[in-house]
Amino acid sequence: GNSVTQMEGPVTLSEEAFLTINCTYTATGYPSLFWYVQYPGEGLQLLLKATKADDKGSNKGFEATYRKETTSFHLEKGSVQVSDSAVYFCALYGGATNKLIFGTGTLLAVQP
Amino acid sequence: DTAVSQTPKYLVTQMGNDKSIKCEQNLGHDTMYWYKQDSKKFLKIMFSYNNKELIINETVPNRFSPKSPDKAHLNLHINSLELGDSAVYFCASSGAGIYGYTFGSGTRLTVV
Repeated sequence: GNSVTQMEGPVTLSEEAFLTINCTYTATGYPSLFWYVQYPGEGLQLLLKATKADDKGSNKGFEATYRKETTSFHLEKGSVQVSDSAVYFCALYGGATNKLIFGTGTLLAVQP
Repeated sequence: DTAVSQTPKYLVTQMGNDKSIKCEQNLGHDTMYWYKQDSKKFLKIMFSYNNKELIINETVPNRFSPKSPDKAHLNLHINSLELGDSAVYFCASSGAGIYGYTFGSGTRLTVV
């Protein structure tokens, strides 16, 4: 079945550092891929998405490219801010099942 | 205007009680979902309704019963609450799932 694997956290960075959170997936067919963000005490917000291979999703300085050859969708940001501190979830929709499946989440803590 | 709204935001109750969580969406989406987020932030789908019809029913105790009076509303009723039911419950909706889901802000259920 479909699955998503993302790097364990916490990831602790200083402000203005470069961020990478790794995400790989297993799926049949051509799923859509997503990154969601959960700020402390809040719900899930869609951060960015890509619906086909080689698509790049981007939003608020974050980017991720759908790489079918490596089955990956790594999240990157060139310069993180304290306000980016949150839990980031990689997710997949489609392939063998029509439901949104999440990775385990990665806690990002950015220090001033 | 809140796109997906859940009530209540917090719910503290004793073991053995019965409680309900309500969800409403004003996005015109056909499909609604319930997810459970445990203490480790892991997100798992519980149920999905498409236009009032149950289409996903994961392995969930039958003490949990969803009800969808119309496509804009999806409620979750829980009977005989147990300590292990303590979690954050998220409602979500989608049009075409390949473009992602919109989540509510969550209901934190604490069973004491």
